[in-house]
Amino acid sequence: GEDVEQSLFLSVREGDSSVINCTYTDSSSTYLYWYKQEPGAGLQLLTYIFSNMDMKQDQRLTVLLNKKDKHLSLRIADTQTGDSAIYFCAAPGAGSYQLTFGKGTKLSVIP
Amino acid sequence: SQTIHQWPATLVQPVGSPLSLECTVEGTSNPNLYWYRQAAGRGLQLLFYSVGIGQISSEVPQNLSASRPQDRQFILSSKKLLLSDSGFYLCAWGGNREQQFFGPGTRLTVL
Repeated sequence: GEDVEQSLFLSVREGDSSVINCTYTDSSSTYLYWYKQEPGAGLQLLTYIFSNMDMKQDQRLTVLLNKKDKHLSLRIADTQTGDSAIYFCAAPGAGSYQLTFGKGTKLSVIP
Repeated sequence: SQTIHQWPATLVQPVGSPLSLECTVEGTSNPNLYWYRQAAGRGLQLLFYSVGIGQISSEVPQNLSASRPQDRQFILSSKKLLLSDSGFYLCAWGGNREQQFFGPGTRLTVL
């Protein structure tokens, strides 16, 4: 089945760019997703990218997809303290309409 | 627009007591519905999913069960809670493609 890997922690200074990386194993993945989880809350769908795209930009968020290396990244420009959260990468799972999530990257923003 | 509700938000229960967590979705019909558990290690574990009324698929053997008595209602239950059932329980509904939208979660502590 699908396996999704992420680094667990990232620390950046306020105003810098953050880059969160993710690798996945199933090359047939159609859409890939990024979710954000703030403390004590559910997961919020941030953005997604279709597998035939290399890049998608949405305001401060840029998603890059290297399909050959099965590598996905999320770049947050001008990182703010409000961006502190856990970010999950997700790819279609083994069954229909299922997602496999990475363990999440905890982003800490230093003022 | 679609909204998803979970209750209660927080629950403290003794070992051996029963459990009932409820999830309801508004603004969509015949959604796919999901129950996840998030333990302290942050990873998301898919517990159950449902593609229609009365249709429940279990992903892992456990002390829990799920039911879908109505199109937009998903219930997670247990007859006797274990200490290991403690965690953050998330309900989600599935939209187009595989993307999922999460509720606010229920924090369950079993003592």
